Amino acid sequence: EAGVAQSPRYKIIEKRQSVAFWCNPISGHATLYWYQQILGQGPKLLIQFQNNGVVDDSQLPKDRFSAERLKGVDSTLKIQPAKLEDSAVYLCASSLMDRDYEQFFGPGTRLTVL
Amino acid sequence: GQNIDQPTEMTATEGAIVQINCTYQTSGFNGLFWYQQHAGEAPTFLSYNVLDGLEEKGRFSSFLSRSKGYSYLLLKELQMKDSASYLCALGNQGGKLIFGQGTELSVKP
Repeated sequence: EAGVAQSPRYKIIEKRQSVAFWCNPISGHATLYWYQQILGQGPKLLIQFQNNGVVDDSQLPKDRFSAERLKGVDSTLKIQPAKLEDSAVYLCASSLMDRDYEQFFGPGTRLTVL
Repeated sequence: GQNIDQPTEMTATEGAIVQINCTYQTSGFNGLFWYQQHAGEAPTFLSYNVLDGLEEKGRFSSFLSRSKGYSYLLLKELQMKDSASYLCALGNQGGKLIFGQGTELSVKP
């Protein structure tokens, strides 16, 4: 079974530039999560989708971050414009709707903002 | 809000047993989860507790006491490959996880 796919794996940008991350969850997983993990900290949930609807985006800085999951499968997370403090690993995870306690994480995208 | 405390770092010897503690403050939660994260890799699910008591999965066991706001992860017969960060997380309705900062475990020969 293929795992959660993410791209790119690494991205370096300058502050005020824009960046987008892509995630393809495990086939059949209705729930998709985006987390931000700053070095030395645990992952912090940014947004949670169930199919193509947003369940929770209370921690998403909506002035600069946006995310979508138009067809209920792939998802993209965008930052515009980026700030230095956005440097982190962005993890995508997915789970079955009735087993949301077991989340499967992708390899993450390491973002460096200079 | 929900707060989680874990030790930042621990060191143990190959073949030994180590206990990683996690204390939390919260008004309510569905379950307590443990994830393992090797350096530069994604977290992987280890175990979870909904009810008080001990859950055993091979060399790994996890314990929960809701009345004491306390959980621990027990690793037996430590191997070098167990060197990783261990994340404690509170699970809320709908799968929302609140993670602690993680405990960096170093296993020495």
